[in-house]
Amino acid sequence: AQTVTQSQPEMSVQEAETVTLSCTYDTSESDYYLFWYKQPPSRQMILVIRQEAYKQQNATENRFSVNFQKAAKSFSLKISDSQLGDAAMYFCAYGGGSNYKLTFGKGTLLTVNP
Amino acid sequence: DGGITQSPKYLFRKEGQNVTLSCEQNLNHDAMYWYRQDPGQGLRLIYYSQIVNDFQKGDIAEGYSVSREKKESFPLTVTSAQKNPTAFYLCASSILPGATNEKLFFGSGTQLSVL
Repeated sequence: AQTVTQSQPEMSVQEAETVTLSCTYDTSESDYYLFWYKQPPSRQMILVIRQEAYKQQNATENRFSVNFQKAAKSFSLKISDSQLGDAAMYFCAYGGGSNYKLTFGKGTLLTVNP
Repeated sequence: DGGITQSPKYLFRKEGQNVTLSCEQNLNHDAMYWYRQDPGQGLRLIYYSQIVNDFQKGDIAEGYSVSREKKESFPLTVTSAQKNPTAFYLCASSILPGATNEKLFFGSGTQLSVL
């Protein structure tokens, strides 16, 4: 069974600084997708970024980028120029295989200090 | 605006009572999902539906039931058999079945508590 581990329950960053959130996963699949979802205080989940495992190039979305290390099964999220609106719970998720579900990590609570 | 609407925002259940959480989408998505979120935990899949009149159990389906009579609607019933129902419930949809590679669109959730 696939597992997703987020080893940092909480992180904090100063406004305008850069922060990296860690995620590791375990799978025997060769083709899969990885996601970072953001859950702000409103509690509505929003997709931040998606990575396809067969693509070597790291995905980027404006200030958000990932460091995807397939051999190490690592998928970290880097947030550059952090803003107060980035404060949220961030979930790493894995999707792959023949099942129709995403496997989520337990989340990292990010605090942005002004 | 297109999106997913969950209601109510807060719901209270009495002992032995069944309650139903509503989820409606106007995105014309084929697939819909119900997730449960507990404090300090990730999301766990309760049920999912890939098409109208069809649904499958997720990881924690015991004590829950669903129906998918219309493409737009995927209500979740929390039955009295669910002994620990207090949690935040999120409904989601995706354009095509197979959420493993599709972006999920989420509703704003329902917080269920036991009286």
